[in-house]
Amino acid sequence: KAGVTQTPRYLIKTRGQQVTLSCSPISGHRSVSWYQQTPGQGLQFLFEYFSETQRNKGNFPGRFSGRQFSNSRSEMNVSTLELGDSALYLCASREGTADGYTFGSGTRLTVV
Amino acid sequence: QKEVEQDPGPLSVPEGAIVSLNCTYSNSAFQYFMWYRQYSRKGPELLMYTYSSGNKEDGRFTAQVDKSSKYISLFIRDSQPSDSATYLCAIDTSGTYKYIFGTGTRLKVLA
Repeated sequence: KAGVTQTPRYLIKTRGQQVTLSCSPISGHRSVSWYQQTPGQGLQFLFEYFSETQRNKGNFPGRFSGRQFSNSRSEMNVSTLELGDSALYLCASREGTADGYTFGSGTRLTVV
Repeated sequence: QKEVEQDPGPLSVPEGAIVSLNCTYSNSAFQYFMWYRQYSRKGPELLMYTYSSGNKEDGRFTAQVDKSSKYISLFIRDSQPSDSATYLCAIDTSGTYKYIFGTGTRLKVLA
């Protein structure tokens, strides 16, 4: 089985721009989560989707949004980028609630 | 108080040593505990998943959960230079669909 695929791997954006990150979960996995990883804060939960429904959202401003499609693929969007949004954005998927999440390699976003 | 506390290290050990990595947590309702390994420039990789007190073994890795003390541990036997990575504990907050991660412990195994 292919793993969790995230595209692109690297992005450089300018303050004020917006960005869309993409995630393809492992085939058959319907739960997809997103995390932000920074050296100072570690891994912080952004949101979780299951069957196109957002079931939980972390403590991030409304500039951070996401969605899940009927094929379980997911995207997250960050609008009006700030320097502090520079981070590794990780997507993870799992088959059921009794399984651990499998993470992708992440998208490294740099805001300049 | 943070929900999950983990010593950030770094921890340096000689090859072949037994490594002990630890986390404490604050909420006694937590039931599911994970250990992840993260190499530089990679996503976290699931090593162990446990949901009860006691030990779970997988090759050179043993995960230990002590719910009475709210303490989880990962032991690595016969450590190898390839084990050099950051190890993250994670707790599945049942019903909220999110994990809470420790800050990670950087481990370096010296050849």
